[in-house]
Amino acid sequence: QQQVKQSPQSLIVQKGGISIINCAYENTAFDYFPWYQQFPGKGPALLIAIRPDVSEKKEGRFTISFNKSAKQFSLHIMDSQPGDSATYFCAATYRGTYKYIFGTGTRLKVLA
Amino acid sequence: EAGVAQSPRYKIIEKRQSVAFWCNPISGHATLYWYQQILGQGPKLLIQFQNNGVVDDSQLPKDRFSAERLKGVDSTLKIQPAKLEDSAVYLCASSRSTGLSTDTQYFGPGTRLTVL
Repeated sequence: QQQVKQSPQSLIVQKGGISIINCAYENTAFDYFPWYQQFPGKGPALLIAIRPDVSEKKEGRFTISFNKSAKQFSLHIMDSQPGDSATYFCAATYRGTYKYIFGTGTRLKVLA
Repeated sequence: EAGVAQSPRYKIIEKRQSVAFWCNPISGHATLYWYQQILGQGPKLLIQFQNNGVVDDSQLPKDRFSAERLKGVDSTLKIQPAKLEDSAVYLCASSRSTGLSTDTQYFGPGTRLTVL
């Protein structure tokens, strides 16, 4: 019940295409859902995040879509660029704590 | 603003040896986290400090792992004795602790441990 399931494990997209990464959770106590981006040899860095009281959040080319009833959320990267090639992790936190539960990660490669 | 600092960046040891990792969080951040990231997996929380007190160490293998946060600032994570399955990247993160679950966690570059 504490897991966050992430798919796909890896993704290859052409430059200019749309990258879509999906996550699902079971625990309804989760109340904050961040996405982290990690480049090789670096620590994860916050990319974008959403609360369950909104269905969509957009920041530049990055959009989170959130479906509370289905307990699913996804990251959309529009106009994907080679510089977006990285590993992406979804995460969830429990209400009232700072504890993050991370998904297993998606390795994205954007072809030039 | 300086980021989270970790050292060393890489460490290779033989099984049954001991190893220690150091973390210096962002100045003013009250909460410090140690995560273990095994290749191909997401980070897994090992221990969480609020100032110099432990908030959550439920996933820390306490028979071999220990951690301390001196004076509520720097922290050290130790493994003694190391096992092959401890090979991973050890990430340190910190956050301001505003009391909201939206508190952003800032990660350091990690220490890559290889146990032979």
